[in-house]
Amino acid sequence: QVQLVQSGAEVKKPGASVRISCKASGYTFTKYAIHWVRQAPGQRPEWMGWLNAGSGHRKHSQKLQGRVTFTSDTSASMAYMELSGLRSEDTAVYYCARAVDAPMITPNWFDPWGQGTLVTVSS
Amino acid sequence: QSVLTQPPSVSGAPGQRVTISCTGSNSNIGAGHNLHWYQHLPGTAPKVLIYGNTNRPSGVPDRFSASKSGTSASLAITGLQAEDEAVYYCQSYDSSLSGWVFGGGTKLTVL
Repeated sequence: QVQLVQSGAEVKKPGASVRISCKASGYTFTKYAIHWVRQAPGQRPEWMGWLNAGSGHRKHSQKLQGRVTFTSDTSASMAYMELSGLRSEDTAVYYCARAVDAPMITPNWFDPWGQGTLVTVSS
Repeated sequence: QSVLTQPPSVSGAPGQRVTISCTGSNSNIGAGHNLHWYQHLPGTAPKVLIYGNTNRPSGVPDRFSASKSGTSASLAITGLQAEDEAVYYCQSYDSSLSGWVFGGGTKLTVL
């Protein structure tokens, strides 16, 4: 079945960087974009951006521009999200999700999602 | 900030019907962007319940339905079951922000 499996929890100090991986299986990795969403404690989910490994196209949210990098390894069906300059406000569960589309339906919706990766930023 | 607004909580007894609203603006729902709904159980990955305003993926019971009108949308759940207890999010695209946006989430409690 279609599945996204993410790397494990991370604890980082302020100013550090974190890289989270997202392993895709059950479908052709290069045919669908991978989006990244994070959810801080008690907050709504926040969209971070997306990467289409097949085309190389990517987009970041305006808020995270300059701090977030999306990469991929198509041979391993892996997507990566790296966030730099970590601060306490970046403490959140980070999700990868596959973007799905259909004729006449925009925007994409996300299905499935990875299990989430908790990133804790603390000194 | 262009956001989607949901009630923080709703509740209902088993077998009852509840609705969850999602109010947006002319830069997201009102701009014609489709709305999607997700169910999020604690400790699990969010799961799509409704896509493209009204469509149910295979495997989602027909107890779940949704509608959209103007700058608002709503999710209806009939025949409430204990397993429906979760947080529900709406999602769309915002033209002003040039990105996907989520509602604040609504916690459904089955009494």
